[in-house]
Amino acid sequence: QKEVEQDPGPLSVPEGAIVSLNCTYSNSAFQYFMWYRQYSRKGPELLMYTYSSGNKEDGRFTAQVDKSSKYISLFIRDSQPSDSATYLCAIFGFNKFYFGSGTKLNVKP
Amino acid sequence: GAVVSQHPSWVICKSGTSVKIECRSLDFQATTMFWYRQFPKQSLMLMATSNEGSKATYEQGVEKDKFLINHASLTLSTLTVTSAHPEDSSFYICSATSTVQNTEAFFGQGTRLTVV
Repeated sequence: QKEVEQDPGPLSVPEGAIVSLNCTYSNSAFQYFMWYRQYSRKGPELLMYTYSSGNKEDGRFTAQVDKSSKYISLFIRDSQPSDSATYLCAIFGFNKFYFGSGTKLNVKP
Repeated sequence: GAVVSQHPSWVICKSGTSVKIECRSLDFQATTMFWYRQFPKQSLMLMATSNEGSKATYEQGVEKDKFLINHASLTLSTLTVTSAHPEDSSFYICSATSTVQNTEAFFGQGTRLTVV
């Protein structure tokens, strides 16, 4: 079983939609969770960083961790065409980073 | 967030030559730097982990003699692809964690290597 699983998409939504991106993970000991955004041919950019459970909000982005079900989510409100990118979830544990496969998001104008 | 600079952003080289890629943390000291390889439409594949002043730890299946990693200071790590072949063509990305908080990773811009 992989440490973290992510639906690869692609996900296509109209501008202004609420986007929900999700990952599941395998080890309940994991405590540090991240979401990265990666534009084509660029390195990933850290969007959200969360420790343990709960929600964290930053502008139009909300990261949510549900440790009981080992599920992490990223919500994007009022999505914009500039949000079109691949989104990677990541977990830090045992001195390593584990990445999801990435979900490709396309926001249509 | 913290800034990691990777250079060059793209390089084309001939088969048999070596290519060096630099990864610098610009505004923080990096305890650990990670080197990844990414194939089109795939996620990041960890190649090796390097700590300043010590030998890199390579993932299974990654040839340490082919992918030489040097982490000589807290702000610089280099990856040298030796005797490059067309199958080494890929997108290489470094990331770094700081001495202050090692649970967040910041990425460089990536280097697209094409071996002809």
